[in-house]
Amino acid sequence: GQNIDQPTEMTATEGAIVQINCTYQTSGFNGLFWYQQHAGEAPTFLSYNVLDGLEEKGRFSSFLSRSKGYSYLLLKELQMKDSASYLCAVRDDRGSTLGRLYFGRGTQLTVWP
Amino acid sequence: DTEVTQTPKHLVMGMTNKKSLKCEQHMGHRAMYWYKQKAKKPPELMFVYSYEKLSINESVPSRFSPECPNSSLLNLHLHALQPEDSALYLCASSQGDRASGYGYTFGSGTRLTVV
Repeated sequence: GQNIDQPTEMTATEGAIVQINCTYQTSGFNGLFWYQQHAGEAPTFLSYNVLDGLEEKGRFSSFLSRSKGYSYLLLKELQMKDSASYLCAVRDDRGSTLGRLYFGRGTQLTVWP
Repeated sequence: DTEVTQTPKHLVMGMTNKKSLKCEQHMGHRAMYWYKQKAKKPPELMFVYSYEKLSINESVPSRFSPECPNSSLLNLHLHALQPEDSALYLCASSQGDRASGYGYTFGSGTRLTVV
């Protein structure tokens, strides 16, 4: 694999802010994606970073540092519906013109009232 | 249409059965993928099709046979599966080029149970 590491579980309360970290090692890096997946459903795209820095989209922000092989997903104003698994995925273009998307094991976030 | 449609949503099959999973997209995406996901595990890449040709096979057993009849359709033919093959099978599509910044669009998956 691509040595993608993220915490297994996190908990937070409604209205709070939570940061989910992801570290990776890959030789053909061409972007990092965050997906949200509710139990039994397909992953849905949240964010994409290919350059260093912060990308903000509503209540969700994602940060990337390529030199450190590090990203985080920041969720603000948490809602109960945000309880889900959050998957960090790295696109590796090594040896192919097609991007292979490798997933971390996912972070199960539980939001309490 | 910005969706990837997978059928059936649920499938139960015996170890001697032959069945097929179907995937369809009409976004003009040139790359299509099959992923397998076990419970509480990340999706694992199985096959990649680019411009209707098999591009990547991640050492998947031959009891799984992919097929891409045209640019909008992707099938996964199943034969002589084992109980450990029970999983959620996800189809995805993408623009397929290096510059694409939107990752993959996933279908809702087929929940497969092998008995």
